[in-house]
Amino acid sequence: NAGVTQTPKFQVLKTGQSMTLQCAQDMNHNSMYWYRQDPGMGLRLIYYSASEGTTDKGEVPNGYNVSRLNKREFSLRLESAAPSQTSVYFCASSADFSSYNEQFFGPGTRLTVL
Amino acid sequence: DAKTTQPPSMDCAEGRAANLPCNHSTISGNEYVYWYRQIHSQGPQYIIHGLKNNETNEMASLIITEDRKSSTLILPHATLRDTAVYYCIVRLTFKTSYDKVIFGPGTSLSVIP
Repeated sequence: NAGVTQTPKFQVLKTGQSMTLQCAQDMNHNSMYWYRQDPGMGLRLIYYSASEGTTDKGEVPNGYNVSRLNKREFSLRLESAAPSQTSVYFCASSADFSSYNEQFFGPGTRLTVL
Repeated sequence: DAKTTQPPSMDCAEGRAANLPCNHSTISGNEYVYWYRQIHSQGPQYIIHGLKNNETNEMASLIITEDRKSSTLILPHATLRDTAVYYCIVRLTFKTSYDKVIFGPGTSLSVIP
């Protein structure tokens, strides 16, 4: 039982490049989330998926897209990376949306956009 | 959601109990107190939550005052691996739509050998 896994762990991009951050959970959770964490800003929600087949915007969705590929996997795509997207990205999951406060987080992806 | 106030940092000797306070004087009757922690370079980790009764699990104990305006997270025998930033959050436990989880600055706990 690995919990929530994320790939890659580190990534450096040039401005304008695209990439997809992968997230998978093996806890049979229905809800999944993508956050970014910046110094002094705390955790900010980018997108979430309350259940398989649904996605919704969070607090800071601009510049990102998501795909809930199946119940296990929730990917985050940067279509045209910008330096402002330099951050640590965390994926999380919860059993269902009603228990969203009890989220399990992945180890994070450290992204630098030059 | 009610605002919380925590001390910015604390030290604790290894093997001793770590008592982390949190003030939430504007908490409403149906809001729960949640605790998370974030070890350096890792994702936040859920610890425990409670409404008004004291709670205990394998990680920690949560003591909530009778007026619910403050609470204390207790790590009974702190180890070096408990060094982390601890976040106290007050919010409803159930919602039909997402309300952003707000992690404030938290308390940076240093466990000292």
